[in-house]
Amino acid sequence: SQQGEEDPQALSIQEGENATMNCSYKTSINNLQWYRQNSGRGLVHLILIRSNEREKHSGRLRVTLDTSKKSSSLLITASRAADTASYFCATDANSNSGYALNFGKGTSLLVTP
Amino acid sequence: DGGITQSPKYLFRKEGQNVTLSCEQNLNHDAMYWYRQDPGQGLRLIYYSQIVNDFQKGDIAEGYSVSREKKESFPLTVTSAQKNPTAFYLCASRDPASRHEQYFGPGTRLTVT
Repeated sequence: SQQGEEDPQALSIQEGENATMNCSYKTSINNLQWYRQNSGRGLVHLILIRSNEREKHSGRLRVTLDTSKKSSSLLITASRAADTASYFCATDANSNSGYALNFGKGTSLLVTP
Repeated sequence: DGGITQSPKYLFRKEGQNVTLSCEQNLNHDAMYWYRQDPGQGLRLIYYSQIVNDFQKGDIAEGYSVSREKKESFPLTVTSAQKNPTAFYLCASRDPASRHEQYFGPGTRLTVT
């Protein structure tokens, strides 16, 4: 089942600008992950934030998590053309589903030079 | 995409034919997953396997079958019973030591006409 919903569906910015993507989910989670997908390729894990964490950084990525609002945001600072891709949030299902991930529909990011 | 291979990258079949998609991993991961991706739909779980010789249905298992005879291999068969088989298929494995991060293969794009 698709639990996450990303917003916006598409985002177009210029190099050097920041890109912010939001994700909302429906049920309680163990953790929330963000993945990146280049066109026609597999997904690559970017960052994981646990349910008891509020903010996490990794290089130019900043993720926040608000469990009271069931939402998360991904901020990419100083974007580059190479950041052009689709970004998905994924929530961790429980052990009854083998910890399969529930993905949102993704945000398509275009960074123009 | 490191550690997981999927073949072929593109696959074309006639309606009514069964087709098997390959997924191999050398990461020594126990858990493996198959997801289907349609445009604008995000990823949906087809089947998953937590250990050799065991697998479970995901959200959209109808028309698909899998086997897990070896830890390294988790092939997916798309049968003629699958109504809309044209899609992008992604295989993944999970490293529990990484707190449920999943590693994805490069995907197989199946077109059925």
